[in-house]
Amino acid sequence: GESVGLHLPTLSVQEGDNSIINCAYSNSASDYFIWYKQESGKGPQFIIDIRSNMDKRQGQRVTVLLNKTVKHLSLQIAATQPGDSAVYFCAETEIDGQNFVFGPGTRLSVLP
Amino acid sequence: NAGVTQTPKFQVLKTGQSMTLQCAQDMNHNSMYWYRQDPGMGLRLIYYSASEGTTDKGEVPNGYNVSRLNKREFSLRLESAAPSQTSVYFCASSGRRGVMGGVAKNIQYFGAGTRLSVL
Repeated sequence: GESVGLHLPTLSVQEGDNSIINCAYSNSASDYFIWYKQESGKGPQFIIDIRSNMDKRQGQRVTVLLNKTVKHLSLQIAATQPGDSAVYFCAETEIDGQNFVFGPGTRLSVLP
Repeated sequence: NAGVTQTPKFQVLKTGQSMTLQCAQDMNHNSMYWYRQDPGMGLRLIYYSASEGTTDKGEVPNGYNVSRLNKREFSLRLESAAPSQTSVYFCASSGRRGVMGGVAKNIQYFGAGTRLSVL
């Protein structure tokens, strides 16, 4: 049978609803986090970042929340649009580090 | 302004063949990276170059070699391709870290990817 690892977690939301995508990170020493969006056939694109001295950061229609106690990161997308359909990755690193560690990704599907 | 450009976009190889994936960036970035992406998995770092003239191994370097030809170009070579190297390969670059809006930046910018199949 197929490996579970081949199937990305999928979040399906209605157009206009808010989306919340979650990510658990592994390294307690990580102090810089980025969310990337990857559309089909393209490379990842930067959405928003946050440093460990912050709990929340807002961009245009997006908000990133960081809970260092439980090593959890979330991306909130307001008023989700069809163009938001993509795979979303979180990435962690130490601020002076070169090595980013990427999560497996979550596929966001926006329903009409 | 092209950003990060990768060539080729697609490639099919037979087991044992060699090839070089090319990457160039026009953002005057110091650091460059090669990742592979397999189905259902995140990006895994193969090699990186923190500056011209230096290269370091990442998480999955076996079977690959890299060359930082100059500040703009960073190539990835497969000397003897294996089916396990079937993947999508991404090159990325990042510039001098600075502070913007109170957050220190270390953003990586990615190319469109090279889809490689090894038969």
